[in-house]
Amino acid sequence: DIQLTQSPSFLSASVGDRVTITCRASQGISSYLAWYQQKPGKAPKLLIYAASTLQSGVPSRFSGSGSGTEFTLTVSALQPEDFATYYCQQLNSYPPTYTFGQGTKVEIE
Amino acid sequence: QITLKESGPTLVKPTQTLTLTCTFSGFSLTTNGVGVGWIRQPPGKALQWLALIFWDDDQRYSPSLKGRLTITKDTSKTQVVLTMTNMDPVDTATYYCAHLTSDTRGYSTAFDMWGQGTMVTVSS
Repeated sequence: DIQLTQSPSFLSASVGDRVTITCRASQGISSYLAWYQQKPGKAPKLLIYAASTLQSGVPSRFSGSGSGTEFTLTVSALQPEDFATYYCQQLNSYPPTYTFGQGTKVEIE
Repeated sequence: QITLKESGPTLVKPTQTLTLTCTFSGFSLTTNGVGVGWIRQPPGKALQWLALIFWDDDQRYSPSLKGRLTITKDTSKTQVVLTMTNMDPVDTATYYCAHLTSDTRGYSTAFDMWGQGTMVTVSS
């Protein structure tokens, strides 16, 4: 099975900070990676798919990059509404599993 | 507008079988590349993908739970049903269904729309 490891697991930051979260895959997954944001008590929200494509309606301060085994999600200038937990997910077709990372919680410093 | 909504029991006993229904609108599960998946989240823990069914009835399961899960679709009723056998307290979680979208080549890209989730507690 493909495993995803996110780092850090917890991040303390201030409004306006540039924040980067890393997601590493245990084997190459090309660009079949998505990023989600989840706030307490809510369903996850898609931010990025295909590693770097911004989902419609998502602010441009969010960006994604990477391919193969290493990926990053960057928030260029953190806003109050961005404090949440972020998950990466791989959608590799072989083997056909859709694993999530363990999550990164972004809290106010 | 795509919407999904999960329904099912809020409480099940250990060893029982859980049946959850995802009722959706705004898309067809006969469209090439489309799928519906189930994901769960134990309280305070990470998301865990469970199962997925594609437009062509291809089914995928989490290897760690494969023997306990069955996913089916009823296209005419716009529903997807997940059954999980031999429930245990560790299966207590919020269960989500979500719409899977694909790129122009038919490769899955993301769960772009999610239901609100349904909390299931396993307890005697």
